[in-house]
Amino acid sequence: EADIYQTPRYLVIGTGKKITLECSQTMGHDKMYWYQQDPGMELHLIHYSYGVNSTEKGDLSSESTVSRIRTEHFPLTLESARPSHTSQYLCASSGSFRLAATNEKLFFGSGTQLSVL
Amino acid sequence: KNQVEQSPQSLIILEGKNCTLQCNYTVSPFSNLRWYKQDTGRGPVSLTIMTFSENTKSNGRYTATLDADTKQSSLHITASQLSDSASYICVVSDRGSTLGRLYFGRGTQLTVWP
Repeated sequence: EADIYQTPRYLVIGTGKKITLECSQTMGHDKMYWYQQDPGMELHLIHYSYGVNSTEKGDLSSESTVSRIRTEHFPLTLESARPSHTSQYLCASSGSFRLAATNEKLFFGSGTQLSVL
Repeated sequence: KNQVEQSPQSLIILEGKNCTLQCNYTVSPFSNLRWYKQDTGRGPVSLTIMTFSENTKSNGRYTATLDADTKQSSLHITASQLSDSASYICVVSDRGSTLGRLYFGRGTQLTVWP
Protein backbone atom coordinates (compact mmCIF):
# COMPACT_ATOMS: atom_id res chain seq x y z
CA GLU A 1 0.00 0.00 0.00
CA ALA A 2 1.42 3.34 -1.07
CA ASP A 3 1.66 6.12 1.50
CA ILE A 4 0.35 8.86 -0.74
CA TYR A 5 -2.88 10.63 0.03
CA GLN A 6 -5.20 12.88 -1.92
CA THR A 7 -8.06 15.00 -0.66
CA PRO A 8 -10.84 15.46 -1.36
CA ARG A 9 -11.81 12.21 -3.12
CA TYR A 10 -14.75 13.92 -4.81
CA LEU A 11 -15.42 17.61 -5.41
CA VAL A 12 -18.41 19.25 -7.09
CA ILE A 13 -18.17 23.00 -7.49
CA GLY A 14 -19.59 25.84 -9.52
CA THR A 15 -17.89 27.66 -12.37
CA GLY A 16 -15.49 30.40 -11.34
CA LYS A 17 -14.58 28.97 -7.95
CA LYS A 18 -10.99 28.66 -6.78
CA ILE A 19 -10.03 25.16 -5.70
CA THR A 20 -6.98 23.40 -4.30
CA LEU A 21 -6.45 19.66 -4.58
CA GLU A 22 -4.23 18.30 -1.83
CA CYS A 23 -1.56 15.62 -2.20
CA SER A 24 0.79 14.37 0.50
CA GLN A 25 3.23 11.48 0.69
CA THR A 26 5.11 10.07 3.65
CA MET A 27 7.71 8.05 1.73
CA GLY A 28 10.27 10.85 1.58
CA HIS A 29 10.14 10.89 -2.23
CA ASP A 30 11.74 13.85 -3.93
CA LYS A 31 9.78 13.45 -7.17
CA MET A 32 6.07 14.16 -7.38
CA TYR A 33 3.65 14.35 -10.29
CA TRP A 34 0.11 15.35 -11.22
CA TYR A 35 -1.76 13.43 -13.91
CA GLN A 36 -5.15 14.09 -15.47
CA GLN A 37 -7.32 11.20 -16.61
CA ASP A 38 -10.65 11.21 -18.42
CA PRO A 39 -12.85 8.06 -18.57
CA GLY A 40 -11.46 5.44 -20.94
CA MET A 41 -8.48 7.60 -21.81
CA GLU A 42 -4.78 7.49 -20.99
CA LEU A 43 -3.17 9.44 -18.15
CA HIS A 44 -1.62 12.76 -19.12
CA LEU A 45 1.17 14.41 -17.14
CA ILE A 46 0.26 18.02 -16.28
CA HIS A 47 2.86 18.96 -13.62
CA TYR A 48 5.92 17.49 -11.94
CA SER A 49 8.49 18.43 -9.34
CA TYR A 50 12.09 17.36 -8.71
CA GLY A 51 11.99 18.52 -5.11
CA VAL A 52 11.34 21.51 -2.87
CA ASN A 53 10.89 24.77 -4.81
CA SER A 54 11.00 22.90 -8.13
CA THR A 55 7.94 22.74 -10.41
CA GLU A 56 7.63 22.07 -14.14
CA LYS A 57 4.80 21.80 -16.63
CA GLY A 58 4.07 18.40 -18.11
CA ASP A 59 3.07 17.19 -21.54
CA LEU A 60 -0.55 18.33 -21.37
CA SER A 61 -1.23 22.04 -21.13
CA SER A 62 -3.18 22.86 -18.00
CA GLU A 63 -4.53 26.06 -16.49
CA SER A 64 -3.76 24.72 -13.03
CA THR A 65 -0.70 25.66 -10.97
CA VAL A 66 1.30 23.73 -8.38
CA SER A 67 3.67 24.49 -5.54
CA ARG A 68 6.27 22.49 -3.64
CA ILE A 69 7.16 24.20 -0.40
CA ARG A 70 7.63 20.97 1.55
CA THR A 71 8.93 17.63 0.31
CA GLU A 72 5.81 15.76 1.35
CA HIS A 73 3.23 18.20 -0.01
CA PHE A 74 2.36 18.98 -3.66
CA PRO A 75 -0.97 20.83 -3.95
CA LEU A 76 -2.64 21.72 -7.26
CA THR A 77 -4.69 24.91 -7.61
CA LEU A 78 -7.26 26.09 -10.13
CA GLU A 79 -7.87 29.83 -9.78
CA SER A 80 -11.18 29.80 -11.67
CA ALA A 81 -12.70 26.42 -12.36
CA ARG A 82 -14.61 25.75 -15.58
CA PRO A 83 -16.64 22.76 -16.81
CA SER A 84 -13.73 21.82 -19.10
CA HIS A 85 -11.70 21.12 -15.94
CA THR A 86 -14.00 18.23 -15.03
CA SER A 87 -11.76 15.19 -14.81
CA GLN A 88 -9.96 12.84 -12.44
CA TYR A 89 -6.70 14.20 -11.04
CA LEU A 90 -4.10 11.69 -9.86
CA CYS A 91 -1.06 12.55 -7.77
CA ALA A 92 2.01 10.29 -7.83
CA SER A 93 5.50 10.11 -6.38
CA SER A 94 8.73 8.22 -6.93
CA GLY A 95 12.17 8.02 -5.41
CA SER A 96 13.80 8.65 -8.76
CA PHE A 97 12.74 11.00 -11.54
CA ARG A 98 14.47 8.91 -14.16
CA LEU A 99 11.75 6.26 -14.16
CA ALA A 100 12.60 5.45 -17.74
CA ALA A 101 16.09 4.36 -16.78
CA THR A 102 15.28 2.53 -13.59
CA ASN A 103 12.84 -0.01 -12.26
CA GLU A 104 11.68 2.52 -9.74
CA LYS A 105 8.00 2.24 -8.95
CA LEU A 106 5.61 5.11 -9.44
CA PHE A 107 3.15 5.28 -6.55
CA PHE A 108 -0.28 6.82 -7.12
CA GLY A 109 -2.80 8.34 -4.76
CA SER A 110 -6.49 7.43 -4.98
CA GLY A 111 -7.30 10.48 -7.05
CA THR A 112 -9.70 13.42 -6.86
CA GLN A 113 -12.75 13.31 -9.10
CA LEU A 114 -13.53 16.94 -9.93
CA SER A 115 -16.85 18.02 -11.40
CA VAL A 116 -17.36 21.66 -12.36
CA LEU A 117 -20.96 22.66 -13.01
CA LYS B 1 -0.08 10.50 -30.96
CA ASN B 2 -0.71 7.41 -28.87
CA GLN B 3 2.33 5.13 -28.97
CA VAL B 4 0.90 2.44 -26.71
CA GLU B 5 -2.08 0.45 -27.96
CA GLN B 6 -3.95 -2.03 -25.79
CA SER B 7 -6.43 -4.71 -26.75
CA PRO B 8 -9.10 -5.63 -26.20
CA GLN B 9 -10.65 -2.39 -25.00
CA SER B 10 -12.91 -4.39 -22.69
CA LEU B 11 -13.24 -8.02 -21.69
CA ILE B 12 -15.77 -10.05 -19.69
CA ILE B 13 -14.83 -13.44 -18.28
CA LEU B 14 -16.25 -15.87 -15.73
CA GLU B 15 -14.65 -16.31 -12.35
CA GLY B 16 -11.95 -18.96 -12.38
CA LYS B 17 -11.13 -18.55 -16.07
CA ASN B 18 -7.81 -17.34 -17.47
CA CYS B 19 -7.36 -14.35 -19.76
CA THR B 20 -4.64 -12.53 -21.68
CA LEU B 21 -4.42 -8.80 -22.31
CA GLN B 22 -2.28 -7.35 -25.10
CA CYS B 23 -0.08 -4.28 -25.40
CA ASN B 24 1.65 -3.13 -28.59
CA TYR B 25 3.99 -0.16 -28.56
CA THR B 26 6.07 1.94 -30.93
CA VAL B 27 8.06 3.78 -28.26
CA SER B 28 11.72 3.96 -29.18
CA PRO B 29 14.33 3.76 -27.84
CA PHE B 30 12.71 1.40 -25.36
CA SER B 31 13.66 1.37 -21.70
CA ASN B 32 11.07 -0.55 -19.72
CA LEU B 33 7.44 -1.64 -19.72
CA ARG B 34 5.06 -1.57 -16.77
CA TRP B 35 1.64 -3.05 -16.13
CA TYR B 36 -0.67 -1.34 -13.66
CA LYS B 37 -4.04 -2.33 -12.20
CA GLN B 38 -6.52 0.47 -11.64
CA ASP B 39 -9.68 -0.19 -9.66
CA THR B 40 -12.64 2.06 -10.43
CA GLY B 41 -12.22 5.41 -8.75
CA ARG B 42 -8.72 4.60 -7.47
CA GLY B 43 -5.16 5.27 -8.52
CA PRO B 44 -3.14 2.72 -10.52
CA VAL B 45 -1.13 0.10 -8.63
CA SER B 46 2.04 -1.40 -10.09
CA LEU B 47 1.93 -5.10 -11.05
CA THR B 48 5.18 -5.66 -12.96
CA ILE B 49 8.11 -3.75 -14.44
CA MET B 50 10.20 -5.33 -17.22
CA THR B 51 13.38 -4.13 -18.88
CA PHE B 52 14.67 -4.96 -22.35
CA SER B 53 16.44 -8.10 -21.17
CA GLU B 54 13.47 -9.62 -19.36
CA ASN B 55 10.84 -11.57 -21.27
CA THR B 56 8.73 -12.89 -18.40
CA LYS B 57 7.86 -11.63 -14.96
CA SER B 58 5.27 -12.94 -12.52
CA ASN B 59 3.43 -11.40 -9.60
CA GLY B 60 1.15 -13.99 -8.04
CA ARG B 61 -1.56 -14.89 -10.57
CA TYR B 62 -0.31 -12.19 -12.95
CA THR B 63 2.34 -13.05 -15.54
CA ALA B 64 3.66 -10.46 -17.96
CA THR B 65 5.64 -11.26 -21.09
CA LEU B 66 7.69 -8.97 -23.27
CA ASP B 67 8.92 -9.40 -26.84
CA ALA B 68 11.15 -6.40 -27.46
CA ASP B 69 11.73 -7.46 -31.08
CA THR B 70 8.06 -7.31 -32.04
CA LYS B 71 7.34 -4.59 -29.44
CA GLN B 72 4.58 -6.56 -27.84
CA SER B 73 3.68 -7.41 -24.27
CA SER B 74 0.94 -9.47 -22.71
CA LEU B 75 -0.51 -9.79 -19.24
CA HIS B 76 -1.88 -13.21 -18.39
CA ILE B 77 -4.24 -13.59 -15.45
CA THR B 78 -4.69 -17.08 -14.08
CA ALA B 79 -7.76 -18.38 -12.22
CA SER B 80 -9.49 -15.01 -12.25
CA GLN B 81 -11.24 -13.67 -9.16
CA LEU B 82 -14.00 -11.10 -8.78
CA SER B 83 -11.42 -8.71 -7.35
CA ASP B 84 -9.53 -8.80 -10.65
CA SER B 85 -12.27 -6.60 -12.16
CA ALA B 86 -10.38 -3.41 -12.99
CA SER B 87 -8.65 -1.51 -15.77
CA TYR B 88 -5.20 -2.82 -16.68
CA ILE B 89 -2.85 -0.20 -18.03
CA CYS B 90 0.33 -0.75 -20.04
CA VAL B 91 3.00 1.94 -19.64
CA VAL B 92 6.18 2.14 -21.72
CA SER B 93 9.24 4.26 -20.93
CA ASP B 94 11.74 5.64 -23.38
CA ARG B 95 15.37 6.45 -22.76
CA GLY B 96 15.74 8.99 -25.52
CA SER B 97 15.89 12.01 -23.27
CA THR B 98 17.65 12.95 -20.09
CA LEU B 99 14.48 12.81 -18.07
CA GLY B 100 12.80 9.87 -19.75
CA ARG B 101 9.10 9.78 -20.49
CA LEU B 102 6.19 7.47 -19.69
CA TYR B 103 3.69 6.60 -22.43
CA PHE B 104 0.36 5.34 -21.11
CA GLY B 105 -2.08 3.06 -22.89
CA ARG B 106 -5.82 3.59 -22.48
CA GLY B 107 -6.21 0.35 -20.59
CA THR B 108 -8.25 -2.82 -20.92
CA GLN B 109 -11.37 -2.88 -18.76
CA LEU B 110 -11.70 -6.39 -17.33
CA THR B 111 -14.93 -7.57 -15.73
CA VAL B 112 -15.06 -10.89 -13.91
CA TRP B 113 -18.52 -12.36 -13.42
CA PRO B 114 -19.40 -14.94 -10.76
